Amino acid sequence: QSVVTQPPSTSGTPGQRVTISCSGSSSNVGSNYVYWYQQLPGTAPKLLIYNYNQRPSGVPDRFSGSKSGTSASLAISGLRSEDEADYYCAAWDDSLSGPVFGGGTKLTVL
Amino acid sequence: QMQLQESGPGLVNPSETLSLTCTVSGVSIRSSPYYWGWIRQPPGKGLEWIGNMFYSGSTYYNPSLKSRVTISIDTSKNQFSLKMTSVTAADTAVYYCARDVAKRGSGSYAWFDPWGQGTQVTVSA
Repeated sequence: QSVVTQPPSTSGTPGQRVTISCSGSSSNVGSNYVYWYQQLPGTAPKLLIYNYNQRPSGVPDRFSGSKSGTSASLAISGLRSEDEADYYCAAWDDSLSGPVFGGGTKLTVL
Repeated sequence: QMQLQESGPGLVNPSETLSLTCTVSGVSIRSSPYYWGWIRQPPGKGLEWIGNMFYSGSTYYNPSLKSRVTISIDTSKNQFSLKMTSVTAADTAVYYCARDVAKRGSGSYAWFDPWGQGTQVTVSA
């Protein structure tokens, strides 16, 4: 079981705004940058958000990240069918001296 | 454009050694001040960091795997490798290699970009 917790699943309809939460502790989410990855079915994860709310080139601004205390969130606005994927948060863990991943959240677009 | 590609046996016998190689194209490992890392994903489960190696040779491992894992770099072939000893069925997973943009010490961070496509490794007799 991961030290960083995400809801196993969430869903939304096209055009809707959805958020995915990521809960950690003072040794990871609470004190370090949070990253988000998108894993489309059958593919490798892809970096979506880095350093809280920065998007790599090519990632639409419909995706945004935020953090408050030991929790972080990924928001997806204007939901589209191609957003259906698994989403993982990650953060450096001071106790592990390495990165830890959340358990992942499966987003279904209804 | 940087690309990474994993290769290695898809089936490994229990108690034996898993060996994977990641070939990097589009950039020289020798000249890039980055870490190069391995991450795995058991079937139906989440992601687990295995370890990484700085281009100059320093290595760092997940404490839960440290006793069984070795990561090395072959700059002449622009490749880095993973060896995991004494494997069991619990090591069955898709193994990914990735460039690891990391900083250790004060204000540590690590993110992975890009990733290889992943390779399935099954541990079974």
